[in-house]
Order: sequence, then structure tokens, then C-alpha cells
Amino acid sequence: ELKVEQNPLFLSMQEGKNYTIYCNYSTTSDRLYWYRQDPGKSLESLFVLLSNGAVKQEGRLMASLDTKARLSTLHITAAVHDLSATYFCAVEFHPYNNNDMRFGAGTRLTVKP
Amino acid sequence: EAQVTQNPRYLITVTGKKLTVTCSQNMNHEYMSWYRQDPGLGLRQIYYSMNVEVTDKGDVPEGYKVSRKEKRNFPLILESPSPNQTSLYFCASSLHPGLAGVPMVFGPGTRLTVL
Repeated sequence: ELKVEQNPLFLSMQEGKNYTIYCNYSTTSDRLYWYRQDPGKSLESLFVLLSNGAVKQEGRLMASLDTKARLSTLHITAAVHDLSATYFCAVEFHPYNNNDMRFGAGTRLTVKP
Repeated sequence: EAQVTQNPRYLITVTGKKLTVTCSQNMNHEYMSWYRQDPGLGLRQIYYSMNVEVTDKGDVPEGYKVSRKEKRNFPLILESPSPNQTSLYFCASSLHPGLAGVPMVFGPGTRLTVL
């Protein structure tokens, strides 16, 4: 079964703190996407990770992919209020032309002053 | 501007009254898909289309229909809506299914309430 699990589902952080969101998936893939959704808005692409060991960084967010562990992480450094949003990971499963993409349930992040 | 548009953005209707949510993209994308978003469940795929006249069921197709007569449009049809179809719906598109490294582009969402 193709499954994607994110944790935590809810995360409340103080500004300035660091934290990590985890995305585990059930079977072979080296294509993983992170999206951000602001309240009441659509999803926007954050990162695309396409190989084992891939690391992407944008501002205070850094995403990585470990295909052997079937795990991606989204690390938040020195959180600020503007990062408050829901973050989704999405995984494409083999065969890649067969529409087998699944989303995690999302992590709702709240950054408090 | 490259985008996916959906209409309407908000809709309140009653059980059994047929409705259509339109989706259009201006990026010449081959692949289009419909998702519903419910609290705690993430996004679940309803239907998808690999190209014109090629559609297939996703994970939760019951109660929905789609068509893809033109490349740019992919309407979602609820023939007889029921309250359990109350949800937030997203249309998304991408250049080509399986093309590595190309994330999907999402529409703004349609919030549907079925009374």
C-alpha cells in the first residue's frame, strides 16, 4: 500500500526555535515534494527532492531526502511568525508515469512570538 | 500569468442538486487532477487525466464525474451531491505525468458545502 505519514500533525513553536517535520513513506521512491499552504489559500511548491541525499534550502527552511530510510525532513531554523502555515509532503511512487503520488496529512505549524 | 483557475470559489448547495466546478489551466499541461482536502486527511485524489479524453479514478472517486474534452479544462461534476462531499476541492496540473522535478500547480480551491 502506498502511504505517506507526516509527523507531527500539529506544531506550535516559539519564535527563534528550531524544529523538524518528518515525512515517512511506505515504498520505493526518490521523488519527494514539499508544499506550503497558508490559511485559506492554495498549495505552493517549496522543494523538489530527486535523489538520495538531496538537500535544498530556502531561507529558514531546509529539506532533505534519505531514500534508504524512506524519510524526508523539513527543518525549521530560528522560526519566525511568517512561517506559520500547513506543510505537506508528497511522494511519487514507482512507476513514475503512473500517477502514483500520495500526500501526507499535513503539519500545521504555528509560530508564536 | 501561468495559473490554474477554479470556479466557483465558494458554493453552498443542497443535497441532490447537480453542480459543476470548473478548472482551467493556461500552461499547456498534459496532466490534470482533482483533490479534496479534509481535516486530518491531507489531500486525496478524486480523478486525474493524463491527457485529452484520458481520465481515470483516483482514491476517492465515488459520487464524482469528470471529463477532459480540451487540454486546458477539467471540470468536476457532482451529479447528486451529499453532505459527505462537503470539503475543500483543489484542481492541479503539471506538464507531464512522471516528469521528474516538476511540481504540480494548484488552483485556488473551491469550498463546497452541501446541506
